[in-house]
Order: sequence, then C-alpha cells, then structure tokens
Amino acid sequence: AQSVTQLDSQVPVFEEAPVELRCNYSSSVSVYLFWYVQYPNQGLQLLLKYLSGSTLVESINGFDAEFNKSQTSFHLRKPSVHISDTAEYFCAVSLRGSYIPTFGRGTSLIVHP
Amino acid sequence: EAGVAQSPRYKIIEKRQSVAFWCNPISGHATLYWYQQILGQGPKLLIQFQNNGVVDDSQLPKDRFSAERLKGVDSTLKIQPAKLEDSAVYLCASSLAGIDYEQYFGPGTRLTVT
Repeated sequence: AQSVTQLDSQVPVFEEAPVELRCNYSSSVSVYLFWYVQYPNQGLQLLLKYLSGSTLVESINGFDAEFNKSQTSFHLRKPSVHISDTAEYFCAVSLRGSYIPTFGRGTSLIVHP
Repeated sequence: EAGVAQSPRYKIIEKRQSVAFWCNPISGHATLYWYQQILGQGPKLLIQFQNNGVVDDSQLPKDRFSAERLKGVDSTLKIQPAKLEDSAVYLCASSLAGIDYEQYFGPGTRLTVT
C-alpha cells in the first residue's frame, strides 16, 4: 500500500519569501504524485501532478515540484509567496494508472504580510 | 462548466441522530466518490460509484453509513445513528469515467456531532 508523509503541519512565512512544503511517499510499485490545495471553506483543487516524463512539474500560479525517486520525495516549492497562497496543501500518491489518491495529513501554509 | 455541488454546507446534530448529505456531480461524469476529512487529517475515501453501481465501499462503516446513487447522477450519503467521531468534512468528487481520470471536488459538508 502507498503512504504519504508531510513533514510539517504548519509553515509560516512572510510575503515574497520562498517556501518549500515537504512530502515523502512510500510505495513498492510505480506511482502518480499530486499536490492539492484547499482554500478556506472550499473544496480540494488539484495544483499539480507527476505522472511520468520530466521530473519537474509546474502549476499555473508559480508553484513547482520535483519528483525524486531515489529520495522518494515530491516537495512543493514557490520562489515568492503571496498572501493569497495561504491555504492547506495536501500531498497525495496513487498507483500508476489511478487517480484515486492516498492523502497526507496536510500542511498549513500561512503567509504573513 | 458548473462544478460539483454539495448541500448542506454545514450541519450540526446530536449523537444518535441521523443526517444525509447530497451531491450533484459535474454533468457527464460517470464516477462519483465520497471522502471523509477529519480535522487535521487528509481526506479518506469512503465509497466509489461508477454510474449507479458501487465499485469500492471497503472503507465505508456499513453499520451506520449508507450511500446511493440513483439513476447514476446525484448521490446521497447517510449516517444513522451518528457518533461524535463522525464529526468531519464530507467531500464529494466526480471524474469523467473511472479511476484513470482526474477527480474534481465539491466544497464539502462540515458535520458537527455534539
């Protein structure tokens, strides 16, 4: 079975600072990896995904994540955060070929002015 | 394109009462999922429907939870009787057809059991 560990429950940063949200996964078979974002009082939105190919994947709002197979990691990064990035971020893993994810516990990103 | 709709958005009940949640998926989406998200945890899959048939309900506590998807469109999730530990956000998601298509999530129903 797959599992995900999000190493930080809360990450406070100042606006325009860089941020990295850490995610490690465990699986004995090939996987897909995802980052979801949940803004206050809203549902989950898919931020970015790694299916195959290039190990660096990017979102439309400036986030990226790199699949590192040797370290079994998929950390989420942004070089300069905005107040509007304040949200809960979930890393997730699924079996290759499936979009049914197993979620981590989430990391709360809090951006201060 | 309209997203996944859920109602009610919030519900407060006492333990041992019953409650029902409703979900309307994106038009044309054959697959529907219900997730339970307990505070401080990631969502956990409860049940998956393909059209009006159940594909996977292995994580559904069947002694108190039930779900149906009549006519392969809308779905309801019911809890009877509710326990304190059922307090959570219940998320509905839908996808075009099957597990190899991206899921789209609704806003969720926040249930508080007192």
